Amino acid sequence: YELTQPPSVSVSPGQTASIICSGDKLGDKYVCWYQQKPGQSPVLVIYEDNKRPSGIPERFSGSNSGNTATLTISGAQAMDEADYYCQAWDISNVIFGGGTKLTVL
Amino acid sequence: QVQLVQSGTEVKKPGASVKVSCKASGYTFIAYDIIWVRQATGQGLEWMGWMSPSSGSAGYAQKFQGRVNLTRNTSINTAYMELSSLRSGDTAMYYCARADGRLGLSWGQGTLVTVSS
Repeated sequence: YELTQPPSVSVSPGQTASIICSGDKLGDKYVCWYQQKPGQSPVLVIYEDNKRPSGIPERFSGSNSGNTATLTISGAQAMDEADYYCQAWDISNVIFGGGTKLTVL
Repeated sequence: QVQLVQSGTEVKKPGASVKVSCKASGYTFIAYDIIWVRQATGQGLEWMGWMSPSSGSAGYAQKFQGRVNLTRNTSINTAYMELSSLRSGDTAMYYCARADGRLGLSWGQGTLVTVSS
């Protein structure tokens, strides 16, 4: 099972960034999203498709339907510049997307 | 709070083995699976396998079958990842993470393993 992400996405500060993650019947699975900044471990920003862990800003949201999951960052800030990975489970295997580098400029 | 503390940087020669530890605290160790993920410099996240601390059972990504061994010591709340027959392509940051199903992963700080002659 594979998850596909675009290698890069650019957004202007204050605008909305959308990062997609595609996989066969992905909407039938739960998707998580992780943010990773240089030199740091990944951090969970979305779980169960659209839920935010405590401490994650409201500007982060998620959706999942059909073959596509989407991470949306509304009002992107410079601090949101990072790599983002989608993740799902396929039976007992963990599947990661290839990652998307978000540039805020 | 959930905390996973990994062992320190390793430098190994080709053909050797490495064993990385991951000490858990802040939760019941045997209640959640531990997974291992690696990341080469500038590359994405690569899942290696999972281990159930309660039973000791483990499952491995096909790529690592026969070369990786995931174990644990429940008396000290610690999980281990041993990778054998190391080659230069195994140079990477290795992460352990607590797996909470659809609720996501909680990550350790990572252990850098460098394979060099």
